[in-house]
Amino acid sequence: EAQVTQNPRYLITVTGKKLTVTCSQNMNHEYMSWYRQDPGLGLRQIYYSMNVEVTDKGDVPEGYKVSRKEKRNFPLILESPSPNQTSLYFCASSLTIGLNGYTFGSGTRLTVV
Amino acid sequence: GESVGLHLPTLSVQEGDNSIINCAYSNSASDYFIWYKQESGKGPQFIIDIRSNMDKRQGQRVTVLLNKTVKHLSLQIAATQPGDSAVYFCAENGSSNTGKLIFGQGTTLQVKP
Repeated sequence: EAQVTQNPRYLITVTGKKLTVTCSQNMNHEYMSWYRQDPGLGLRQIYYSMNVEVTDKGDVPEGYKVSRKEKRNFPLILESPSPNQTSLYFCASSLTIGLNGYTFGSGTRLTVV
Repeated sequence: GESVGLHLPTLSVQEGDNSIINCAYSNSASDYFIWYKQESGKGPQFIIDIRSNMDKRQGQRVTVLLNKTVKHLSLQIAATQPGDSAVYFCAENGSSNTGKLIFGQGTTLQVKP
């Protein structure tokens, strides 16, 4: 089944403890992206990647890092999480940039205390 | 600035009726639009898309209309069913360089049996 898989689905962590949210797609998509969803603010792009080893900042990149060492994986790294990073995170992928529907993962609900 | 807005936060319809969800966008340079459905606890699910060289596109029970003159997008759902209850987002490709999608705030569709 074609899908975007995120792990974990739920995570509660403490301020400052490094964490990684994994994202993997099995559709051979070139383009991958991370969004966060917050009440009243909607979905906002954190980082994106056009292809292997090509990543760039979205609208809200502060406090996050990403890597794209292989086409299928695009992990989101929080080096030192803070409570304002408590949010619902979605990974998305697309065959190419711009004119294709994006496939989203099921989400990761992160709570930083 | 760029924004994609939906006219109503909540829409309540009777099962079997047709639903119309509206969206206004402000970036006249956007050339691709997508409607997503998000059920509780899930990621956004692609419903239908439309490119700016079209004004109407039909899918199974859904139709998207695009009026570029007034920068308005709508999603019509025929014979609405209880399973259609969800939050619906319109999105535009805010940047063809970054692949960023700009999402509206969402309309909650409630289907009454």
